[in-house]
Amino acid sequence: EAGVTQFPSHSVIEKGQTVTLRCDPISGHDNLYWYRRVMGKEIKFLLHFVKESKQDESGMPNNRFLAERTGGTYSTLKVQPAELEDSGVYFCASSQLTDTVAFFGQGTRLTVV
Amino acid sequence: EDQVTQSPEALRLQEGESSSLNCSYTVSGLRGLFWYRQDPGKGPEFLFTLYSAGEEKEKERLKATLTKKESFLHITAPKPEDSATYLCAVEGGSEKLVFGKGTKLTVNP
Repeated sequence: EAGVTQFPSHSVIEKGQTVTLRCDPISGHDNLYWYRRVMGKEIKFLLHFVKESKQDESGMPNNRFLAERTGGTYSTLKVQPAELEDSGVYFCASSQLTDTVAFFGQGTRLTVV
Repeated sequence: EDQVTQSPEALRLQEGESSSLNCSYTVSGLRGLFWYRQDPGKGPEFLFTLYSAGEEKEKERLKATLTKKESFLHITAPKPEDSATYLCAVEGGSEKLVFGKGTKLTVNP
């Protein structure tokens, strides 16, 4: 069974540019989460989808971040325009609707220069 | 606000030298406490979920225990391949994971 897949694995962009991260959850998982780890800090929650609906986006840093989940399948996280402090590793996780166990992707390392 | 504190930040062991990692937490309405293993350049890999005080779970050389305030991850006779960062996280009523900073474990042959 395929796990959670994230694209790209690495991205280096200049300040002010736009980047879109993609996450393909495990098939059948209605819960999809985005998390982020910035250097030296713990992994922190960004937002939670249930199917295509945003359940909780309380962790989104500001309105430069936009997350979507088309048809309740894959999700994208767009950062526009990117700032230096957006650098970090972005993780996606998914779980079944009635299960608390979340499985993580390998992450996307974003570097803004 | 839910919080997780892990100690120590880093731990070096000799192969076969057993030890424990600590995870102290405060959470409103614990739905679960999770242990993950993370290797460099990879995402967190699920190990255990504990739901209530007194619960214990084992997997190979690892054993996780839970009290009302903390969890321990006991590593018995570790091997070099157990070297990784071990992450503790809690889920409360908000259905999101709150992570600690992790413990980086190095097991020398």
